This record gives sequence, C-alpha cells and structure tokens, in this order.
Amino acid sequence: GQQVMQIPQYQHVQEGEDFTTYCNSSTTLSNIQWYKQRPGGHPVFLIQLVKSGEVKKQKRLTFQFGEAKKNSSLHITATQTTDVGTYFCAGTSGGSYIPTFGRGTSLIVHP
Amino acid sequence: NAGVTQTPKFQVLKTGQSMTLQCAQDMNHNSMYWYRQDPGMGLRLIYYSASEGTTDKGEVPNGYNVSRLNKREFSLRLESAAPSQTSVYFCASYKRGRFQETQYFGPGTRLLVL
Repeated sequence: GQQVMQIPQYQHVQEGEDFTTYCNSSTTLSNIQWYKQRPGGHPVFLIQLVKSGEVKKQKRLTFQFGEAKKNSSLHITATQTTDVGTYFCAGTSGGSYIPTFGRGTSLIVHP
Repeated sequence: NAGVTQTPKFQVLKTGQSMTLQCAQDMNHNSMYWYRQDPGMGLRLIYYSASEGTTDKGEVPNGYNVSRLNKREFSLRLESAAPSQTSVYFCASYKRGRFQETQYFGPGTRLLVL
C-alpha cells in the first residue's frame, strides 16, 4: 500500500534559525496536505498542494510539492517559539478519501 | 459550529473493561475516521466510514469495533481493553470540496489502560 515517509523525526533549532521537514511517497499523489499539532493538542490543517511543482506561502512557512508529485517539503524561515509542535504531511492518491499520514516531525525551538 | 467533538476527554480503564468513545461532527461531512496516536508512530487509522451506513477497517483495527450511528456520529468501542490500547484517540471528519480536501480533527481522548 501507499507509504509516506517523513524526515527528520525531531529537529531542535535555536529561535531565528530555519527549519525544513520532508515527505516522500512511495506512489504518485493526487494532493498532499500539511497539518500542525501543538503539544497536547490535535492536528490542525495548514494547507493543501495539488499541482506538480506547486509552491505556496503562509507568512514564514513555504510549502512545496515536487514535480513528480511524490515528495513535498515545509520550510519555516526564522523560527519562533510559537512554531513549536509536530508537523504532519498526509498524501492522497487516486480517488481515495483516506489520507496516508507521515509520522511527523517534531520541532523544538530553543529561545 | 462546534466542529468535531469527542467524549470523554480522559479515561482510565482496567484491563478487560469495555468502553465506547463518542464522536460527533456538525459540518455535514460524509466521511469520518478514528485514529490512534502513539509516540513516534504518527497517526494510525483504526477504522473509517466513507458514508453513513458503511464502515471499513484501517491499518490497526484489531481490538476495536465502530458504529456509524448516523451522518453526525461515529463511535469507537473497545470490548476488552488491553494495556496496548493505551493511546490518544482522535476522531476526524473529511471535507472533500471542489478545490480542497481537509480533515478536521476532534480534541482527542486520552486513554490509559492499567
């Protein structure tokens, strides 16, 4: 079945440093979604990418979808303590309504 | 709109006890899901319901049963709880719009099985 690998599992950064998490799918995706989960909270939808090579920005967050629609990345510029949490990617392929989640990357920001 | 609600928020069970986790959504979504989250394992799908009246197994269904009571409600039952079922359980519903697909998660139920 479809697998989505996400790296790294953890990332420690100093406040102000950049952060990137990567997702790779074993199959071509129809779309990829990104979620953020604050400590003790629940996953919250951030964005969806659909087109090959698509790049979207949300303030300091930049999301990319690969040309082959098999990989994606989330980059945070100049991290802040409010960015702390676990970031998940979730890919959907074909007509499926079952997103396959990566295991997430936990971001720890040191002030 | 309340979105996705779950009850209870916390629960402690003894091995062998049974319980039902409740989930409801008020967004008129067809699809609903139950996940468990364990440290380092991400979100693993237990069961899902594509639409009212249908349910299907996910990645880790053993030890669980589900009921899609109506379009709003999707419950998860543990018939005989085991310590391995200690986890955080999230219910989610799925919006499939013309331009965007989104999962909406409930606040979670934290379950400890002793």
